[in-house]
Amino acid sequence: QKEVEQNSGPLSVPEGAIASLNCTYSDRGSQSFFWYRQYSGKSPELIMFIYSNGDKEDGRFTAQLNKASQYVSLLIRDSQPSDSATYLCAVNIGGAGNMLTFGGGTRLMVKP
Amino acid sequence: SAVISQKPSRDICQRGTSLTIQCQVDSQVTMMFWYRQQPGQSLTLIATANQGSEATYESGFVIDKFPISRPNLTFSTLTVSNMSPEDSSIYLCSVATGGGYEQYFGPGTRLTVT
Repeated sequence: QKEVEQNSGPLSVPEGAIASLNCTYSDRGSQSFFWYRQYSGKSPELIMFIYSNGDKEDGRFTAQLNKASQYVSLLIRDSQPSDSATYLCAVNIGGAGNMLTFGGGTRLMVKP
Repeated sequence: SAVISQKPSRDICQRGTSLTIQCQVDSQVTMMFWYRQQPGQSLTLIATANQGSEATYESGFVIDKFPISRPNLTFSTLTVSNMSPEDSSIYLCSVATGGGYEQYFGPGTRLTVT
């Protein structure tokens, strides 16, 4: 079992809809969770991080963490074509210092 | 977040040669990381580079193949040695800042080995 899993997609949503991206992790000792956006040919860009159970909102983005169920999700409201990218979930596995373990990424396509 | 630059941005190299990639940060950071991203894949951590100590390599990566230097708190280099076509990849450096576990990435170096 992979430590951090994501559906590879592509996830296709119409412009203006809510895009929901999910990530599960295997290590219950994981403490910190991150979402990166990566446009084709570019490096990953940190867009959200969450450390506590519940929701964290930043503009059109909401990160949701459920440690009991070992999943973290990213909601993108009012999706725009410019949101089309690969979204990478990263987890700080417990006991791993500052290291991050990345999921395989979900490709999001927002259609005008 | 820090401003991170990498040199070169891309290179085409012949098999058997070596390439050194530089990573420069505009502020002092304790922890720097080197990742590899193969075509269509996610990121794989190569090693963690802390100033004043030897780099810590992940399983599957060895110092002889990927020697790393970290001479100060704003700079690091990764060398890809004795390259083969399987080393064709994007190499990324990242830094951890802000006191948490957040990492910020440089623009990457796209390496093609022929």
